[in-house]
Amino acid sequence: AQKVTQAQTEISVVEKEDVTLDCVYETRDTTYYLFWYKQPPSGELVFLIRRNSFDEQNEISGRYSWNFQKSTSSFNFTITASQVVDSAVYFCALSGFTSGTYKYIFGTGTRLKVLA
Amino acid sequence: GAGVSQTPSNKVTEKGKYVELRCDPISGHTALYWYRQSLGQGPEFLIYFQGTGAADDSGLPNDRFFAVRPEGSVSTLKIQRTERGDSAVYLCASSLGGENIQYFGAGTRLSVL
Repeated sequence: AQKVTQAQTEISVVEKEDVTLDCVYETRDTTYYLFWYKQPPSGELVFLIRRNSFDEQNEISGRYSWNFQKSTSSFNFTITASQVVDSAVYFCALSGFTSGTYKYIFGTGTRLKVLA
Repeated sequence: GAGVSQTPSNKVTEKGKYVELRCDPISGHTALYWYRQSLGQGPEFLIYFQGTGAADDSGLPNDRFFAVRPEGSVSTLKIQRTERGDSAVYLCASSLGGENIQYFGAGTRLSVL
């Protein structure tokens, strides 16, 4: 079975602090994708990143960086120098070719509050 | 706009009524997904269309839920005999193909009184 665990329900930080959001996944697929989405109060899920299971290179995009480790089945997300606009719920998701589709399995999300 | 459009944004109905939720995918996207998001939870898969056909409807909770995509573009999620437990945000996503990144709409918030 596929599963995504985001153990941190809510995190509060002060602006300019760094923060890491954890994501642990389970899958039997050998080929799969991992994602992070941001859900601001408006409700729309905004795509941030996709990694495939064969690419463990860490990625940096501006203040965002991602650490993918197959050995620990983790795909963690770090925001450097957080800003108030980063306040949102962040979802980690897994997609593999199970039952013939690439449906997403989402974690329960981590609510990030960045205080000014 | 170029994104996924969902209408209505909010729907309030009474227990036992029938509702239809509409999704307009990004132009050219052949894959379309419906998810349901309950308060404080992540979205849960309902159904996946590739073109006009439902390739995977394993997430539909029961036979009161049905979805169509007759021309391979717009999709409608239909819920019969609504129950209070159906209250949630229904999200639609589309992608270029099954393996591609899914782009989400803002959702329809359904409230069953």
